[in-house]
Amino acid sequence: QLLLQESGPGMVKPSETLSLTCTVSGGSISSNNYYWGWIRQPPGKGLEWIGSIYYSGSTYYNPSLESRVTILLDTSKNQFSLKLTSVTAADTAVYYCAKRGTAVVTRFFDYWGQGTLVTVSS
Amino acid sequence: EIVMTQSPATLSVSPGERATLSCRASQSVSSNLAWYQQKPGQAPRLLIYGASTRATGIPARFSGSGSGTEFTLTISSLQSEDFAVYYCQQYNNWPGTFGGGTKVEIK
Repeated sequence: QLLLQESGPGMVKPSETLSLTCTVSGGSISSNNYYWGWIRQPPGKGLEWIGSIYYSGSTYYNPSLESRVTILLDTSKNQFSLKLTSVTAADTAVYYCAKRGTAVVTRFFDYWGQGTLVTVSS
Repeated sequence: EIVMTQSPATLSVSPGERATLSCRASQSVSSNLAWYQQKPGQAPRLLIYGASTRATGIPARFSGSGSGTEFTLTISSLQSEDFAVYYCQQYNNWPGTFGGGTKVEIK
């Protein structure tokens, strides 16, 4: 059973960098069949894809966030991470890590972390 | 970017009744359409993929249909645990886009 777990600070100050880690258990992030990604959900709102990373390290970002986002893999720890710079109150959201397949017909998100609320506030 | 539009925004249904949720894509997504259920304080859970295939462990009362631009999620007889928000997502065009959600509430 694949499990994903987000971790990181629950509060970040405006203009600073949000940093989160997703730890994967029950499977390897080095698989060439999966993308690993981040999705966020502002309070009371819908889902927004932030970006994804492939086992090779190739990354794909939401164009609206691309200038501020970095996603990295740490295969030694079976983790991947998210950094979002220059945060504002608009970045307050529950952040989820999730897995999706690589073939077009499998690119739905079948495994999700439980989510972690990050509040941007001074 | 493909825009996904869900309707209605809120659906009031009595337990035991049928619920029908709609999702429309701004251009064809073939059958590359997923449905997710989200309960308060929980992560979304995959219900349906490929427009009509139930994910592992999903009860048979959930069914999906459609292709191209028009899709439907039907819950045949609502149980108390089915009251939640439902999202559709197209994954035909990278990176995939979500609809705004339909909240199914108790009537």
